[in-house]
Amino acid sequence: AQKVTQAQTEISVVEKEDVTLDCVYETRDTTYYLFWYKQPPSGELVFLIRRNSFDEQNEISGRYSWNFQKSTSSFNFTITASQVVDSAVYFCALSEADGGSQGNLIFGKGTKLSVKP
Amino acid sequence: DAGVTQSPTHLIKTRGQQVTLRCSPKSGHDTVSWYQQALGQGPQFIFQYYEEEERQRGNFPDRFSGHQFPNYSSELNVNALLLGDSALYLCASRPGQGFNEQFFGPGTRLTVL
Repeated sequence: AQKVTQAQTEISVVEKEDVTLDCVYETRDTTYYLFWYKQPPSGELVFLIRRNSFDEQNEISGRYSWNFQKSTSSFNFTITASQVVDSAVYFCALSEADGGSQGNLIFGKGTKLSVKP
Repeated sequence: DAGVTQSPTHLIKTRGQQVTLRCSPKSGHDTVSWYQQALGQGPQFIFQYYEEEERQRGNFPDRFSGHQFPNYSSELNVNALLLGDSALYLCASRPGQGFNEQFFGPGTRLTVL
């Protein structure tokens, strides 16, 4: 069965610290997509990244980086030199291609990140 | 270019009532999905509309129904409201039915008393 687990419910860091948000997924499909979304207090989900199952290259975008490892079914997200504006709930999500999900997302429960000045 | 818009922002209903939530997708997007997000949880997929038809449905009862109009906008209807239906309802749109990024609206906060 498909599932996304974000074991860290809440993380609190001080500004400029690095922080890693963990995501572990379960799927039987060989073709799937993984996503990270950010949900600030306003409530609107903001897309951060999409990876497909055939691309295990790590990606860096500014202060954000993602580590995708199929061997451990993990897709972790690191924020370098965190800032107060990074405070939000972060969701990891899975979309299965083989199972006919039509691109719909299975979300984890989210990790609430608080960055203190 | 407007993003995904939803109305109303907030809604308070009592048990047993019916509610209709509305969503306008981002320009150029023809697929609309609805998600329910209970407090402290991740969003859960309700259903998806494409070409005015429900294409896929999550694990939600028939009390949840929807519609998509020719201009791609969509409605979510919930009948016989229960206290447990209190949640943030999110609409997402994307072009086509593939695995493109989904753009989310700000949501409608439904409170059932």
